[in-house]
Amino acid sequence: GEQVEQRPPHLSVREGDSAVIICTYTDPNSYYFFWYKQEPGAGLQLLMKVFSSTEINEGQGFTVLLNKKDKQLSLNLTAAHPGDSAVYFCAVNPYQGGRALIFGTGTTVSVSP
Amino acid sequence: GGIITQTPKFLIGQEGQKLTLKCQQNFNHDTMYWYRQDSGKGLRLIYYSITENDLQKGDLSEGYDASREKKSSFSLTVTSAQKNEMAVFLCASSLQGNNQAPLFGEGTRLSVL
Repeated sequence: GEQVEQRPPHLSVREGDSAVIICTYTDPNSYYFFWYKQEPGAGLQLLMKVFSSTEINEGQGFTVLLNKKDKQLSLNLTAAHPGDSAVYFCAVNPYQGGRALIFGTGTTVSVSP
Repeated sequence: GGIITQTPKFLIGQEGQKLTLKCQQNFNHDTMYWYRQDSGKGLRLIYYSITENDLQKGDLSEGYDASREKKSSFSLTVTSAQKNEMAVFLCASSLQGNNQAPLFGEGTRLSVL
């Protein structure tokens, strides 16, 4: 079945710098991908839903890239600010094997002033 | 707007105790999920349910029971709490369909003495 690896586990950046998180999945047929943000003590907040048909997706303060050839999904926090400090998770809806998302292991991002 | 409510927010149990966690959603979503979150391991699926009275096992179902009593509620039972266990249990819900992003509650934090 589908497997998802996420790296790095921890990321420390200065305010204004960029931060990149990469997820690698295994099933080339997977079509729907998601990024979530989790602030301390809170549940997961949906950042973006990505469909396999679109390679570049822009949100507020971040860009998501989908590289189908390498089976990689990346989240690029552009000009990070302290409010971006959180744990970020990628998730893949598997093509086969059920209807629940498979999550990466998470990346803890710390943005210092 | 809707909300997913998990109760209790904090749960302290004794080794061997049976513990029940509850989740309610008012989005009128069809599918509900229970995930377990451990530090450094991401989210792992325990159970999900695609409609009232339906139950589907996830990878981590051993040691847990679940019940979808009605469309809006999904409960999870830890059948025998393990000593020193600490984890966050996250409930989520979504509409049916592979492109639907689950929305999450804020979690129940479990500590077992």
